[in-house]
Amino acid sequence: GAGVSQSPRYKVAKRGQDVALRCDPISGHVSLFWYQQALGQGPEFLTYFQNEAQLDKSGLPSDRFFAERPEGSVSTLKIQRTQQEDSAVYLCASSLGTVGYGYTFGSGTRLTVV
Amino acid sequence: TQLLEQSPQFLSIQEGENLTVYCNSSSVFSSLQWYRQEPGEGPVLLVTVVTGGEVKKLKRLTFQFGDARKDSSLHITAAQPGDTGLYLCAGASFQGAQKLVFGQGTRLTINP
Repeated sequence: GAGVSQSPRYKVAKRGQDVALRCDPISGHVSLFWYQQALGQGPEFLTYFQNEAQLDKSGLPSDRFFAERPEGSVSTLKIQRTQQEDSAVYLCASSLGTVGYGYTFGSGTRLTVV
Repeated sequence: TQLLEQSPQFLSIQEGENLTVYCNSSSVFSSLQWYRQEPGEGPVLLVTVVTGGEVKKLKRLTFQFGDARKDSSLHITAAQPGDTGLYLCAGASFQGAQKLVFGQGTRLTINP
């Protein structure tokens, strides 16, 4: 597609519920990133894929967070047993190559845990 | 841990005025990027600066990377209401990690 597509745009989850957030990157983009943006803050790194390989997951806040990109294109970020502190906007970005190229971000998924 | 501090965090000025936003760190970065984010949207890349001392211009926006590659500034001339938004700086490290470290952002409001 022309841009990075994320779905759903909004998700309300009850505490303890599992959620799955989808990212469809720009076709041909090798690198894919997930960031978490709390209200009024800058994005914070969660994880990075190069094709299907997850090369950096140092930003995942707990073992309740899991990300995959099995065929090197679409990626899913899964959060198990959601908690209120998980409420944030989850941004996906893709890039043609290395970080110096800059990212193209999706519009994000706003997750609210109630 | 690499941190980027942006100042000011909030800025509200009248149309036609000039302004400068700063992005500072104690860490050295291989490159630094500036993004602009509108409500409900993801950040949009404005510019990437790579060389220490580099200056790039994008219409009324001027970006500078510090000589020591630890800081950057964004200067807007004759601000317009369409410049309103959240401006984010983001740095890439030399260690080869592909992730960006973002500042907390500067929320800019231009009043007509």
